[in-house]
Amino acid sequence: SQTIHQWPATLVQPVGSPLSLECTVEGTSNPNLYWYRQAAGRGLQLLFYSVGIGQISSEVPQNLSASRPQDRQFILSSKKLLLSDSGFYLCAWRGGVPGEQYFGPGTRLTVT
Amino acid sequence: GDSVTQMEGPVTLSEEAFLTINCTYTATGYPSLFWYVQYPGEGLQLLLKATKADDKGSNKGFEATYRKETTSFHLEKGSVQVSDSAVYFCALANYGGSQGNLIFGKGTKLSVKP
Repeated sequence: SQTIHQWPATLVQPVGSPLSLECTVEGTSNPNLYWYRQAAGRGLQLLFYSVGIGQISSEVPQNLSASRPQDRQFILSSKKLLLSDSGFYLCAWRGGVPGEQYFGPGTRLTVT
Repeated sequence: GDSVTQMEGPVTLSEEAFLTINCTYTATGYPSLFWYVQYPGEGLQLLLKATKADDKGSNKGFEATYRKETTSFHLEKGSVQVSDSAVYFCALANYGGSQGNLIFGKGTKLSVKP
């Protein structure tokens, strides 16, 4: 069966520090991968998605970036965090059916 | 562009009450429709889906019917439990409009009191 992992689970970082969040998927190959952010009291915002290794589409211009160095690995990064980057970051993968996505447990990021 | 509108919460119900969470959408073509649920501190889980008009999705006692004439996909449950307390998201996926990516509503928080 397929599983999706995210780490770390929680993170507290000062403003201006770098960020690296990792997501890995097991039990499937060549999945579409997604990064979402959920700010406190707000809905889900799609940040990036990837249809294959090295292929990244950005939905929202900001100080975040994403990379997909391996088929089942998706990384979210920032060179300098802002206070507004605080939130709950969710990774997801998509199987064969458009819209049917499977989410990881999330990373709670607090920027201080 | 495509969009999803769902009723704002929070919604507070007593155990065994009837639940309805309204959801309407705007989309070109024939989108697929979904309800996702997020329990406190967790990621989202697919609750149910419908891929064409008049389809009824169901799971764990929840139901929603794809109504193309009213562009709606309302979530219902006949008797809620405390364990149903969560945030519910309505969403659509439309290959024509958004490469099959999910478009989410803002979420509705449900609290069920014993």
